[in-house]
Amino acid sequence: EVQLVESGGGLVQPGGSLRLSCAASGFTFTSYWMSWVRQAPGKGLQWVANIKQDGSEKYYVDSVKGRFTISRDNAKNSLYLQMNSLRAEDTAVYYCARGIAARDYQPYYFDYWGQGTLVTVSS
Amino acid sequence: QSVLTQPPSVSAAPGQKVTISCSGSSSNIGNNYVSWYQLLPGTAPKLLIYDNSRRPSGIPDRFSGSKSGTSATLGITGLQTGDEADYYCGTWDSSLSAVVFGGGTKLTVL
Repeated sequence: EVQLVESGGGLVQPGGSLRLSCAASGFTFTSYWMSWVRQAPGKGLQWVANIKQDGSEKYYVDSVKGRFTISRDNAKNSLYLQMNSLRAEDTAVYYCARGIAARDYQPYYFDYWGQGTLVTVSS
Repeated sequence: QSVLTQPPSVSAAPGQKVTISCSGSSSNIGNNYVSWYQLLPGTAPKLLIYDNSRRPSGIPDRFSGSKSGTSATLGITGLQTGDEADYYCGTWDSSLSAVVFGGGTKLTVL
């Protein structure tokens, strides 16, 4: 059974940092792109970042470029999101998701998701 | 403001059918596959439909998807109270080079 379990969310002050983790199990982690998707309170889903199977390619939504870093440890079947210079508008539930891609392209849909971890940026 | 447009809410009685629309443009829905997701509070989002109309294993055939031009539709038949959830469409946007989602539709089963 595919499982994705996020952790690391919490309350942080504006300008602060937080590192999210996602523990994956039940599938061959090294065979899939992995992604972070977020949902701000009362808002819709927003894709945040993608990372290729071997970590060689990373992509971000414009609003987090230069502040967030996606990474993975294939030996530990884990995905991470380092979030720096956090802003109030980064407040959201952050989901770890398995991405499905065609050939050499980025994922175009997500077939498994975690339950999410809440990040609140507030003073 | 979401790239894809969905109605904020839809409702229907148990046992009835409901459709949820998702409107986009040529840079997204018009030239790419559409997927649909179900979000229930406190649970992991679930993929319902991918590649416009394909169902993952385990998703009942009460759920269906279709696409025409720059719009897509999710259909749910035989509504159950357990279907009350938020539903989101998603697709690749070739101009943004990113997956984009609709604003979500809240389904109420009266």
